[in-house]
Amino acid sequence: NAGVTQTPKFQVLKTGQSMTLQCAQDMNHEYMSWYRQDPGMGLRLIHYSVGAGITDQGEVPNGYNVSRSTTEDFPLRLLSAAPSQTSVYFCASRPAGPSNQPQHFGDGTRLSIL
Amino acid sequence: AQKITQTQPGMFVQEKEAVTLDCTYDTSDPSYGLFWYKQPSSGEMIFLIYQGSYDQQNATEGRYSLNFQKARKSANLVISASQLGDSAMYFCAMRVIQGAQKLVFGQGTRLTINP
Repeated sequence: NAGVTQTPKFQVLKTGQSMTLQCAQDMNHEYMSWYRQDPGMGLRLIHYSVGAGITDQGEVPNGYNVSRSTTEDFPLRLLSAAPSQTSVYFCASRPAGPSNQPQHFGDGTRLSIL
Repeated sequence: AQKITQTQPGMFVQEKEAVTLDCTYDTSDPSYGLFWYKQPSSGEMIFLIYQGSYDQQNATEGRYSLNFQKARKSANLVISASQLGDSAMYFCAMRVIQGAQKLVFGQGTRLTINP
C-alpha cells in the first residue's frame, strides 16, 4: 500500500536552478493536487488536475508548472527557483465522486532555496 | 471566495481532558464539506473527520467529534479523553462542491498534551 509517493524528501537548490518534484499514486485516483505549506499559513493550493491531460491553477501558481500525462503521475516543476519558494510541498490525491472523499497526502518534500 | 479561520495558534491541555479546537469558515456556496487533518511532528497529513453542509447530525469518529453550527459557520473539533499522542498541528479545511478539487486550509492550531 504505497498510496501517494513523493520524491525527493529533501532538496537544497540555488537561486535560479530548476527542478522537478515527483508525485506518484497507485490508487487510480482521478484528482491530484500540489500544495505548499509555509509557517503560519497552512496549506495553499498550487496546481491541480482532475484527470490525465487536464490541469488548472490553484491559489499560488506563479513560478510552477505541472503536467498530467498519466493517471498515476503529477510532477511539479520549478522553472527558476527563488528563495520565496522555500517551503514544504505536499502532493495529494482523491477519487472523483462524492465530495466527502478526503485527500490522501504524500509525506512531503522539504525544499530550501539558497 | 472561501476562507477558513483558526483563531487558536496554540493550545495546552492536560492528558485525559477534552479539548475543543475552533474553526470558523466563510463561503456563499450552500454545498460544502469541512475536514479536519492532524499533522504530527513527523510531518504527514492524517485525515480525521468530515462534515457535509447538509448532514443533519454532527460527525463522530472514535474520540473525535465535530461540533457543527451552520448558522454560526463554525465547525469545531472536539477530542475527548486526550492522549499524549494527540500532540500535533491540527488543520481545518473546506471544500465547496462546485470547486470540488480545491481544498482551502486554515492556519492550524498546535495542540500540546501535558502529562
